[in-house]
Formats: sequence, C-alpha cells, structure tokens
Amino acid sequence: GAGVSQSPSNKVTEKGKDVELRCDPISGHTALYWYRQSLGQGLEFLIYFQGNSAPDKSGLPSDRFSAERTGGSVSTLTIQRTQQEDSAVYLCASSGGGTLTGELFFGEGSRLTVL
Amino acid sequence: GENVEQHPSTLSVQEGDSAVIKCTYSDSASNYFPWYKQELGKRPQLIIDIRSNVGEKKDQRIAVTLNKTAKHFSLHITETQPEDSAVYFCAATKNNDMRFGAGTRLTVKP
Repeated sequence: GAGVSQSPSNKVTEKGKDVELRCDPISGHTALYWYRQSLGQGLEFLIYFQGNSAPDKSGLPSDRFSAERTGGSVSTLTIQRTQQEDSAVYLCASSGGGTLTGELFFGEGSRLTVL
Repeated sequence: GENVEQHPSTLSVQEGDSAVIKCTYSDSASNYFPWYKQELGKRPQLIIDIRSNVGEKKDQRIAVTLNKTAKHFSLHITETQPEDSAVYFCAATKNNDMRFGAGTRLTVKP
C-alpha cells in the first residue's frame, strides 16, 4: 500500500476483554515497530520486528501483551484482559530495515479506550 | 535497551527566536539519530536525521549536532515560526532498534 495502515482506528472495549490491533506496513519494509502513546505523552517502545522475528520483547508492559508478524508483512498486537491503563494510541511504523536504519513511517494509530 | 533522555519537556519562544532541544543516549553502539515532529492529532514525521559518522547536519532552518564522545545530540531551529509549534521527539537507534525521548512541546508565540 501507499502507507502504513492500521486498524481499527478506534476501539472502545470493556475492562477484561481481549483486543487485537492490526498493522499493515509499507510493501517491502522489513522492519516493523509498535509504540504506545498515552494522551500528551511520549512514544513508549513496545516491540519491533526484523522480518518475522522480534529481537527485543522487553518493551511489552506485561504478559497480557503479545505481538506477532507473519509472512514478513502484517503484524498484530494483542492485549488480553484489558485494563483501563491500557487506554492509549497504539502506533505502528515501518522502515526499510536494511543495514542502515532509515526513516520510520508511522500509521495513523489505533486509539484504544478501555472502560 | 537504549535509554534516551530529552530536555526540556516544554519550550516557549517568541517568533523569530531560536529553539534548542537536547538529548542524551546511553548505548555507545547507537549510530542513527532522527528527529520527529508531531503536530496535534497527527502522526510523527521525520524532519532531520544524523548518523554517527557525521558531527553536524543542516537543512534550511533546522540543524542537528552530534557529540559521540559525550553521547548527546541537539536540534536547533532558527528563525522560528508559529507553524513550528509541535511536539518534537529525538531518537537513538542501534541495529534498527529505535527508542524515543519523552518529547519536547515547542510553542512559538507570534
């Protein structure tokens, strides 16, 4: 596609429910990133993928969070048993992923609200 | 992972003045340092970047300097304009692993 696509753009869920967020990176980009941004706050690193593998999963806030990427393309971020503190915008970004890191292209984000 | 500190958290300047934002990083192996601008309600976008083999880079009114020995880098915006008002994020990268600072909210008063 022309840019990074994320879905859903908005999600309202009840505490305790599971949610799945999807990211479709720019075609051919091998590096894919997930960040979390709470209202008025910074970009909290969650996880990044090089191809289908995630070299560092230490950014995931708890074991309720998991992410996967298959086929070197689409990635899903799953939050189980959501809590109110999970409310935030979840931003996905992709880059070429070559030897030299390049520009990250961000999606519009998925705004999650946990009631 | 890499730890990036960014200062100040907020910065207010008069139109036409200069603005400087500073960042430090912890991992000496980091080699790519981009700066992103995020306008209200929008996604972050790259405005300038620098690699570890360069000490300074300039693009019109914005410039970035890098001190590898001290592990700090700075963004300089000259002749600020109201449209420069936004949140600016620095980042440090090692092996494609990119970590951001907490951001600086810049307000340019007309």
